[in-house]
Amino acid sequence: GQNIDQPTEMTATEGAIVQINCTYQTSGFNGLFWYQQHAGEAPTFLSYNVLDGLEEKGRFSSFLSRSKGYSYLLLKELQMKDSASYLCAVRDSNYQLIWGAGTKLIIKP
Amino acid sequence: IAGITQAPTSQILAAGRRMTLRCTQDMRHNAMYWYRQDLGLGLRLIHYSNTAGTTGKGEVPDGYSVSRANTDDFPLTLASAVPSQTSVYFCASSAGGAYNEQFFGPGTRLTVL
Repeated sequence: GQNIDQPTEMTATEGAIVQINCTYQTSGFNGLFWYQQHAGEAPTFLSYNVLDGLEEKGRFSSFLSRSKGYSYLLLKELQMKDSASYLCAVRDSNYQLIWGAGTKLIIKP
Repeated sequence: IAGITQAPTSQILAAGRRMTLRCTQDMRHNAMYWYRQDLGLGLRLIHYSNTAGTTGKGEVPDGYSVSRANTDDFPLTLASAVPSQTSVYFCASSAGGAYNEQFFGPGTRLTVL
């Protein structure tokens, strides 16, 4: 079967750095996405990785290792507005997205 | 309209009733999707459409139907609602191609009693 694993919840301090991990087992791999979802709102796109390595976009970076079936999202200089759920999704051999359950990130002052 | 709109925002429905959730996008995206999101679970694909006139089944299609008569609209119909269909429903669209970032509508919160 297909499976995406993420921690259910994480807590971090404002101004700090946090790393959210995602491991996956899917039928085929055609890219990995990270989305942010604030409570009661729709998911919004953060990053996309299809090749191994680090993609940096401002305070957010995403890393991929295809051989390990592993990705992480790194958030730097945390702000209170970063409190949200972070969703990892893998595009499989049918070019459909398989979604993890999401990691709820709580930022404390 | 800017992006994707969904209607209604929320709905309480008696079991056995028929219900259509509406989704409209103005980005001229070829592909559209319907997901449901339940607590503790990832988004699950119900149905999708790669282009107007075609539809396909996702992971959890039973009890749902869709149509894609034109590029902009992608309604989701529950023929006879059951309590297990209580969920938040998101419509999404993408331009297609290798990148395929999906854009999401605001969601419809549906409660079936």
